[in-house]
Amino acid sequence: ETGVTQTPRHLVMGMTNKKSLKCEQHLGHNAMYWYKQSAKKPLELMFVYSLEERVENNSVPSRFSPECPNSSHLFLHLHTLQPEDSALYLCASSQVTGSHEQYFGPGTRLTVT
Amino acid sequence: QKEVEQNSGPLSVPEGAIASLNCTYSDRGSQSFFWYRQYSGKSPELIMFIYSNGDKEDGRFTAQLNKASQYVSLLIRDSQPSDSATYLCAVNPLGGSTLGRLYFGRGTQLTVWP
Repeated sequence: ETGVTQTPRHLVMGMTNKKSLKCEQHLGHNAMYWYKQSAKKPLELMFVYSLEERVENNSVPSRFSPECPNSSHLFLHLHTLQPEDSALYLCASSQVTGSHEQYFGPGTRLTVT
Repeated sequence: QKEVEQNSGPLSVPEGAIASLNCTYSDRGSQSFFWYRQYSGKSPELIMFIYSNGDKEDGRFTAQLNKASQYVSLLIRDSQPSDSATYLCAVNPLGGSTLGRLYFGRGTQLTVWP
């Protein structure tokens, strides 16, 4: 495994379901990010974890709940989502010192029915 | 508010031409700048980063930075149809801080026609 991986790659869920997205990075980074990308919209930063602490939460609805158990893993727990939450959810990682390049995972394509 | 502006395009160039992609940013204290390529339905892929004023070349790609004008550009020489994608400009406004937060532009869609 290399780089940043995400599972599942595709997810279809009903509005009453609970699901989780998983991200794992194999780059030795110490910061991880969740982004949302909707069709024809720019990347929206949702959450930032630096050294396993949540340092940014950009007014994301509480139906999205992140979890970072260690510096290599990041989860996004989903519950009672709305159809407008359908989007590509991207995980990224970087170093918090020195260079700041972020590397993205392949994303999870989420459809809420 | 930290803004990163890009011309959304679409930018259309013939194969073999030079494609020029531009980006301006609002935070004068920004220190590091990144270009990502995103194919339709895929995740962004880092292709270039630049920290110092001037040019940085990597193969067919050249990133140009002018901090005084708050302007960063990406030139793609000998453009190929496989370069057709959306190009995202990203800026780290904090430089040297302990948080690598990036601000992204909306992206410029590039089409290279054969």
